[in-house]
Amino acid sequence: ETGVTQTPRHLVMGMTNKKSLKCEQHLGHNAMYWYKQSAKKPLELMFVYNFKEQTENNSVPSRFSPECPNSSHLFLHLHTLQPEDSALYLCASSQILGDTQYFGPGTRLTVL
Amino acid sequence: QKEVEQDPGPLSVPEGAIVSLNCTYSNSAFQYFMWYRQYSRKGPELLMYTYSSGNKEDGRFTAQVDKSSKYISLFIRDSQPSDSATYLCACDSGGSNYKLTFGKGTLLTVNP
Repeated sequence: ETGVTQTPRHLVMGMTNKKSLKCEQHLGHNAMYWYKQSAKKPLELMFVYNFKEQTENNSVPSRFSPECPNSSHLFLHLHTLQPEDSALYLCASSQILGDTQYFGPGTRLTVL
Repeated sequence: QKEVEQDPGPLSVPEGAIVSLNCTYSNSAFQYFMWYRQYSRKGPELLMYTYSSGNKEDGRFTAQVDKSSKYISLFIRDSQPSDSATYLCACDSGGSNYKLTFGKGTLLTVNP
């Protein structure tokens, strides 16, 4: 595997389900990011981690819970989501904060 | 006023045409300007990166920044069907503020 990978690529869940999105970067980077991409809206930064420490929570509802166990892995735990949370969730990484960001392919999430 | 404005299109051109994609921004603190290309069902990939005003050329692609008018452009010469994608502009003020501010993206189709 190379670059930034995300699993699953597609996810359909009910509003009462609990699921997790996984991101792994194989680039030796130290900063990782979660973005939300909705139709006809700009990418929205959700969370930022730098050397495993969360440095940014962009007013994201608590039904989204990030976890960064090490610099290579990033999770987004989901629970009690709403239909408006349906979107493409993108993970990105960079060598350091502020450096060029490399994106994964995203997880297409549908909340029923 | 949104920080970065980008016409979402869609834009459809014949193969070989010169394509002009544009964004305007309102934050005068932005110093770094990027263009990302996003193919369908993929994550964004960095295409061009420019610091401050001026032009930057890479093959068939030219990025142009005019900070006086807060206007950024991407030109694609001799467009190819493989250039069909969504193009996202992004701006960054740099320093300790490492957040990228994205436009909505412009969907481009190059017809053979």
